Amino acid sequence: QVQLVQSEAEVKKPGSSVKVSCRASGGNFRSSAIFWVRQAPGQGLDWLIKSIPMFSLTQYAQTVRDRVKISADKSMTTAYLELNSLTSEDTAVYYCARGEQKTVGDNEDYYYAMDVWGQGTTVTVSS
Amino acid sequence: IVMTQSPLSLPVTPGEPASISCRSSRSLLHSNGYNYLDWYLQKPGQSPQLLIYLGSNRASGVPDRFSGSGSGTDFTLKISRVEAEDVGVYYCVQALQTRSFGQGTRLEIQ
Repeated sequence: QVQLVQSEAEVKKPGSSVKVSCRASGGNFRSSAIFWVRQAPGQGLDWLIKSIPMFSLTQYAQTVRDRVKISADKSMTTAYLELNSLTSEDTAVYYCARGEQKTVGDNEDYYYAMDVWGQGTTVTVSS
Repeated sequence: IVMTQSPLSLPVTPGEPASISCRSSRSLLHSNGYNYLDWYLQKPGQSPQLLIYLGSNRASGVPDRFSGSGSGTDFTLKISRVEAEDVGVYYCVQALQTRSFGQGTRLEIQ
């Protein structure tokens, strides 16, 4: 059973960058989707990114599209989220999640639900 | 796609049923006949967990007291008999265009 282990909490200054890691213990991301979701203090969940390495496909939320970079190591066991130009509004818990590939329908379309989640990484942006 | 849940707060007596509604701003019915709608539960202090995918399919390990139904723009998550461990915030998520979450419904035991 795959488990996702995220990096430790970070405190950053406004205008700086943060890099969060997500390591798949007991598996890899080769045939999966990788999702990034964040949760501001006391708020609901906010989807940020969906990436399918197998198809070199990545989709971004408008709120981070222009200042985010995602990557993975060659073994596809660790994924990274790097967010630039931080503001106080980026203060949140950042979650990674894996989406196992499922085939649905007669055309065997691919479907990815966020079925395994990391423990979350708290990012605090403060001067 | 905007997702709207109701109610936002749901007090329930243990052993009683519970129901959460989720409405999307456009149909989530894919051309393949499946509804691209998932349900998640975030228990207090924990990461979210997948409950239901493609509208009505229970994820691995999810008790059968949880069920998902609906099609197009209107969906429902039902808990046949609420237990104390079901406390938390429930989210619906559309998967037709990228992803977007509903506001969440907080279930509490009364």
